[in-house]
Formats: sequence, C-alpha cells, structure tokens
Amino acid sequence: GEDVEQSLFLSVREGDSSVINCTYTDSSSTYLYWYKQEPGAGLQLLTYIFSNMDMKQDQRLTVLLNKKDKHLSLRIADTQTGDSAIYFCAERYGGSQGNLIFGKGTKLSVKP
Amino acid sequence: KAGVTQTPRYLIKTRGQQVTLSCSPISGHRSVSWYQQTPGQGLQFLFEYFSETQRNKGNFPGRFSGRQFSNSRSEMNVSTLELGDSALYLCASSPGTGALEPQHFGDGTRLSIL
Repeated sequence: GEDVEQSLFLSVREGDSSVINCTYTDSSSTYLYWYKQEPGAGLQLLTYIFSNMDMKQDQRLTVLLNKKDKHLSLRIADTQTGDSAIYFCAERYGGSQGNLIFGKGTKLSVKP
Repeated sequence: KAGVTQTPRYLIKTRGQQVTLSCSPISGHRSVSWYQQTPGQGLQFLFEYFSETQRNKGNFPGRFSGRQFSNSRSEMNVSTLELGDSALYLCASSPGTGALEPQHFGDGTRLSIL
C-alpha cells in the first residue's frame, strides 16, 4: 500500500541549514509536496516538485528528488526560530487526480 | 480574500452521539477535501468533493460522511461517535482538482470524545 515516511524530530541551531528527509512508495507519483504546520494552525503549502525534476529552489528552500530511490528532501537555508514547526511530506497517490498521502511529519526545533 | 473557515474550532461530544463539522472554502474554490489528524495515525484523507460530487474517498467506515452544497461549502458528519474519533479535522480547498491546484487548509476543528 501507499506509505510516506519521515523522521519524527530534527533539532538545529539558528543560522544553520536544516535538511528534512522523506521516502515514498508510489513510483507513479507525479507531484510531491512539502507542507508546514505551526501550533494550532492548519497546513501551509511550502513548495512542490514535479516528478521529472531533480531539484527546485525557492528562496531559502531547496527540494531534492531522487526518483530512483523514491527519496525527497527539503533543505532550509539559514534556519530561523520562526521556522520551528512540523513539516509534512506528501505524495499524490494514484496519479495527478489522486488524493494526498502525508507522512507523519518532522518536528523541527530551532535553538537560538 | 478570506481563507478557509472551519466551524466550530472546538467541540466536545460523548460516545454514541453524532456531529456535523462545517467548512467554507476560499471564494471561487470548488474543490473541498477533508482530513483527520491524530498523533498516532498522522494525517489521513477522508474524502474530496468537487461541484457537489464526491470524487475520492479514503479508508474510513461509513459512519463518516460528507456533502457539498452549490455554494461549495461542505459539511462532514460522523455518526455513533467513538473515542478513537477524537482528532483534529482539517478541511482544504482548491480552485479545481488538478495536481498543481494548491490546497489551502483551514485551522481545523478539534473534536474531543468523552
């Protein structure tokens, strides 16, 4: 069945880079997404990558996709305390019209 | 432009009762999806509606149902509540149903079952 896995916790110092990793199972996934959830709030779409891309950069965010290993990563450069949140990786299972399957989320803690 | 609005924000019910949650999508958005978020299972897809029709459904029992109205507002109903239904229920809207249509989430309804 479909599954998306992430490590549960990551702790970094302010100013360092953060790398959050994710593995997925559906080789037919066309789009992969990163969402951010702050306490008491819903999910905010950060960025997404199409499966025919290897990398996408958007300001401080860099997404790397290794389709062969079904591995996705999100790098946050110059991490700030405001980046502390839970980050979810998601794949669109079953093609471009399928529903989103989320990982359990990685809690990023940024220490000053 | 107002975001996705979910009401109520918090709800306490007892086992065996039923509950209705409401979601008002962003103006102009026609697709509404519902998710259940729990510490143990994470985020799980419940169902998606587009133009008043259910397009996709997750693996939840028939006690979970939903509908969408002509103004795109959506409701979700859970009957015969169980303790395990305690969760944060999130609604997301998007303009359409394509993969690149970004889903905008509301802040959720936190349902507690006593």
